[in-house]
Amino acid sequence: DARVTQTPRDKVTEMGQEVTMRCQPILGHNTVFWYRQTMKQGLELLAYFRNRAPLDDSGMPKDRFSAEMPDATLATLKIQPSEPRDSAVYFCASAREETQYFGPGTRLLVL
Amino acid sequence: QQQVKQSPQSLIVQKGGISIINCAYENTAFDYFPWYQQFPGKGPALLIAIRPDVSEKKEGRFTISFNKSAKQFSLHIMDSQPGDSATYFCAASGGADGLTFGKGTHLIIQP
Repeated sequence: DARVTQTPRDKVTEMGQEVTMRCQPILGHNTVFWYRQTMKQGLELLAYFRNRAPLDDSGMPKDRFSAEMPDATLATLKIQPSEPRDSAVYFCASAREETQYFGPGTRLLVL
Repeated sequence: QQQVKQSPQSLIVQKGGISIINCAYENTAFDYFPWYQQFPGKGPALLIAIRPDVSEKKEGRFTISFNKSAKQFSLHIMDSQPGDSATYFCAASGGADGLTFGKGTHLIIQP
């Protein structure tokens, strides 16, 4: 049963600390998406990659967020420095065509 | 600018009844319209999806109706069951691009 995996599942950190979230897409999927979910804004697209190349990161705060895909089996989302307003659930999704499969999410709380 | 508007925000339906959730979009470049189901603490899971070349798609108890001229689409859940209680999101994208989500509908099926 192929699934998207995300680590860590939960993260509590203090304001100003660096946070790194990791995603392992489904084997064979060539597109990886990062989304953020909050009560106020709902589900928002942050960035996505196709064949490891960044295609769109317009939804991401550029000054503190960065997304990379060092190889086909790993995508990372980094926040440095973190702020309380970054508290949210961060989802990774992968796709081969248009159907996107979501991971379980990383629940981030920045104090 | 909210590109996908979803209503209602919450919905209570009796067991065995029909649940109907509506969405409207603005961007005429969208050509892929999925519905996702999300349970608490889980990632969104694809329920059913449609492309604008058809007006209706049915999978089991779930049906999408699509009106291209009105730029609207809806999800119908027939014979609603308590296990259908979840949050439902409509979404739209241009092909294999990132999804733009509606704000979600919290559905409760009363036994």
